[in-house]
Amino acid sequence: QSVLTQPPSVSGAPGQRVTISCTGSSSNIGAGYDVHWYQQLPGTAPKLLIYGNSNRPSGVPDRFSGSKSGTSASLAITGLQAEDEADYYCQSYDSSLSVLVFGGGTKLTVL
Amino acid sequence: QVQLQESGPGLVKPSETLSLTCTVSGGSISSYYWSWIRQPAGKGLEWIGRIYTSGSTNYNPSLKSRVTMSVDTSKNQFSLKLSSVTAADTAVYYCARDRGLRFMTDWGQGTLVTVSS
Repeated sequence: QSVLTQPPSVSGAPGQRVTISCTGSSSNIGAGYDVHWYQQLPGTAPKLLIYGNSNRPSGVPDRFSGSKSGTSASLAITGLQAEDEADYYCQSYDSSLSVLVFGGGTKLTVL
Repeated sequence: QVQLQESGPGLVKPSETLSLTCTVSGGSISSYYWSWIRQPAGKGLEWIGRIYTSGSTNYNPSLKSRVTMSVDTSKNQFSLKLSSVTAADTAVYYCARDRGLRFMTDWGQGTLVTVSS
């Protein structure tokens, strides 16, 4: 049971927009700690996709965007492409556990 | 761009100690936090802990009693030791850089460690 809750899977057709939610609590996201997102392509290491709730590292397309509100955060992907098919993880800090925490991951399927 | 490479035995016997090293290239190890994260096959990511180049550490409380991290700045390496391993510790282990803002900017490719007799 992950501290941050994500849907196990989402899907969309090429060109469409999809969102992935990440729900936490008052000891992590709701406490004001930033949310970060990682993309893990099959068989590879995770890659930082969004940091500080809504910032993209250099090289990440602007099709990817992040937001945060209350005890939840979301990752949006627009103009879906086949290469976006991957697992996506949210991550934050939990003050009651004193750990960096991850969501359980969401598998994105491009139809 | 900094690169990270994990190394160590791919097979560890139950009750023994898992030992991994992460070598950092393309930049200095100094003045950063360095984390270990693991991922059992088909499952999600678990943060094990991190070490600063001064040697100060933060460990996941769920693993704290079994984890030791160290850093060797002269070799641009940092290490993980996990004692009394069981099959539940079988996972891909990643090392990563944390710039102090509690997220990982750079990751190693990961190394599979299997706990089995």
